Amino acid sequence: DAKTTQPPSMDCAEGRAANLPCNHSTISGNEYVYWYRQIHSQGPQYIIHGLKNNETNEMASLIITEDRKSSTLILPHATLRDTAVYYCIVGNSGGSNYKLTFGKGTLLTVNP
Amino acid sequence: DVKVTQSSRYLVKRTGEKVFLECVQDMDHENMFWYRQDPGLGLRLIYFSYDVKMKEKGDIPEGYSVSREKKERFSLILESASTNQTSMYLCASSFVTGVFTEAFFGQGTRLTVV
Repeated sequence: DAKTTQPPSMDCAEGRAANLPCNHSTISGNEYVYWYRQIHSQGPQYIIHGLKNNETNEMASLIITEDRKSSTLILPHATLRDTAVYYCIVGNSGGSNYKLTFGKGTLLTVNP
Repeated sequence: DVKVTQSSRYLVKRTGEKVFLECVQDMDHENMFWYRQDPGLGLRLIYFSYDVKMKEKGDIPEGYSVSREKKERFSLILESASTNQTSMYLCASSFVTGVFTEAFFGQGTRLTVV
């Protein structure tokens, strides 16, 4: 079973911030939160990951709650090209038993 | 540019055929993965490999096998293709490090079994 819960779909206006929530209430202490996105007809693309601190890169920001049971991916100024399925994943770091388990994700539609 | 290459973008096979899906990565990654993606079900992990000749079952390994004879190549094998294996198949690779780094995906192979 998937370890994360995401809304199936969200809309956002172009130029506005898109805030994508994810619940991961059973996350364990050594598990990271990762976000990927999949634009239509392409393979998934890594966005960002974090353990317990908030993270920011050129694509997005990741806010993780203090109890680590939920997180939010923020696209600060959404564009039409950000329309995609966004996947929130939890998993262990590296090692021989590492694997990524994807859920169904959130379809984000950015509207003009 | 890092690259994960899947041998075919589209493939049509007959029921009962043995099917090989090939994946090659040029990044010297230890980990490689095979997923299938179906409408409404998201991405589901079939098998993964963390080293040459090593493999582990994912969530839906039934009806599939894999081969990793060289570090850069990870093959998915359908021993006897069936119509319920019609799907998009995605290969990925990643480093093994103390802190997770990103996985890179191929463009996918859309397999149709008739």
